[in-house]
Amino acid sequence: DAGVIQSPRHEVTEMGQEVTLRCKPISGHDYLFWYRQTMMRGLELLIYFNNNVPIDDSGMPEDRFSAKMPNASFSTLKIQPSEPRDSAVYFCASTTGGIGSATNEKLFFGSGTQLSVL
Amino acid sequence: GENVEQHPSTLSVQEGDSAVIKCTYSDSASNYFPWYKQELGKGPQLIIDIRSNVGEKKDQRIAVTLNKTAKHFSLHITETQPEDSAVYFCAASSGKETGANNLFFGTGTRLTVIP
Repeated sequence: DAGVIQSPRHEVTEMGQEVTLRCKPISGHDYLFWYRQTMMRGLELLIYFNNNVPIDDSGMPEDRFSAKMPNASFSTLKIQPSEPRDSAVYFCASTTGGIGSATNEKLFFGSGTQLSVL
Repeated sequence: GENVEQHPSTLSVQEGDSAVIKCTYSDSASNYFPWYKQELGKGPQLIIDIRSNVGEKKDQRIAVTLNKTAKHFSLHITETQPEDSAVYFCAASSGKETGANNLFFGTGTRLTVIP
């Protein structure tokens, strides 16, 4: 398996522009997570899906952020309009079985998208 | 919610020495404690985990210990090698029912192994 695939690897955009980050989870995984990583705040969970349904989006910072999972093999995180403070590395991760459950709860992370908003 | 604190933020050791990274957590209901290793330009990768019904777990040169009473857990790396250089994250999860599947991560420790 190729693992969790994220695109693009790097994104540089200007303030006010729309940004779309993409993720392909590992086939067969029914949980998908979006994380944001910054020096100041570390790894923060933004939202997660189970069977393509958003379960908890309480980590989404503002209405400018939205995430979708139209099918089991694809998810997007969109920022519109983007702001300089959104600059961070965004990770997508997938797993099967709930965290802490008796089944496999190992999170598989993608390589991330480095976002820079100028 | 859960609060995970991790120390130290940076750690340098000589090759062959041991490295210890410590984390504390606040929610006594937390029952799952994984450790992730993040190499430069890559996403975090699980290296070892422990559940609250176990006090210690080993995997070759890596071991994790858990003290539920004190609510702290530690990562031990013995005979460190240059390829161990990375950022290490601890995490805790309560593993509650639907809606609380959430890992709370520590702020990370940058480990440098000096050849």
